[in-house]
Amino acid sequence: DAGITQSPRHKVTETGTPVTLRCHQTENHRYMYWYRQDPGHGLRLIHYSYGVKDTDKGEVSDGYSVSRSKTEDFLLTLESATSSQTSVYFCAIKDVGGYEQYFGPGTRLTVT
Amino acid sequence: DQQVKQNSPSLSVQEGRISILNCDYTNSMFDYFLWYKKYPAEGPTFLISISSIKDKNEDGRFTVFLNKSAKHLSLHIVPSQPGDSAVYFCAATVMNRDDKIIFGKGTRLHILP
Repeated sequence: DAGITQSPRHKVTETGTPVTLRCHQTENHRYMYWYRQDPGHGLRLIHYSYGVKDTDKGEVSDGYSVSRSKTEDFLLTLESATSSQTSVYFCAIKDVGGYEQYFGPGTRLTVT
Repeated sequence: DQQVKQNSPSLSVQEGRISILNCDYTNSMFDYFLWYKKYPAEGPTFLISISSIKDKNEDGRFTVFLNKSAKHLSLHIVPSQPGDSAVYFCAATVMNRDDKIIFGKGTRLHILP
């Protein structure tokens, strides 16, 4: 167990509402990542962070923003949720000098 | 354009036999490769990795083979067990340069009794 939790684990929301997903780690790892998993697409990177207040975009960042104000927490925000953002969202962490990422249990988000 | 390709969406193998999952990559800069296993309703878990200085890495029942000239790697599971039924993701990165890894779309492995 990599000491990584995600909340909420399930959420149903309506189109146009803001949504924030939280990733929390107890490992003090520098790198944190947000992915989405969709059928036929595998795991796609949304945003990642390489330190407190240091973030960068991934391949599917449109419609998402992130914030990292402290090492242990990485927040993913959908400013105005759309049905195309219905997905399973995974957070991952990685230590400096390593290549393996360790994943949280996921958040299933449904936008109606 | 997909940089990491897993061309078989699913694979069925008899229990006790060998499972071979394949992965191709297009980016010749990739020099570190990883395999992840994912059960339903859980996050992916790291399984095994290999760097480009090796052509084989073994960990118990799991062996990854790398063919750099063909830009191809494969994961062998011997013998296959019921608990191996899962989705397997291949992933790649560039060592000492990139903090991101690129995932393939995954292959669903079914182990038949």
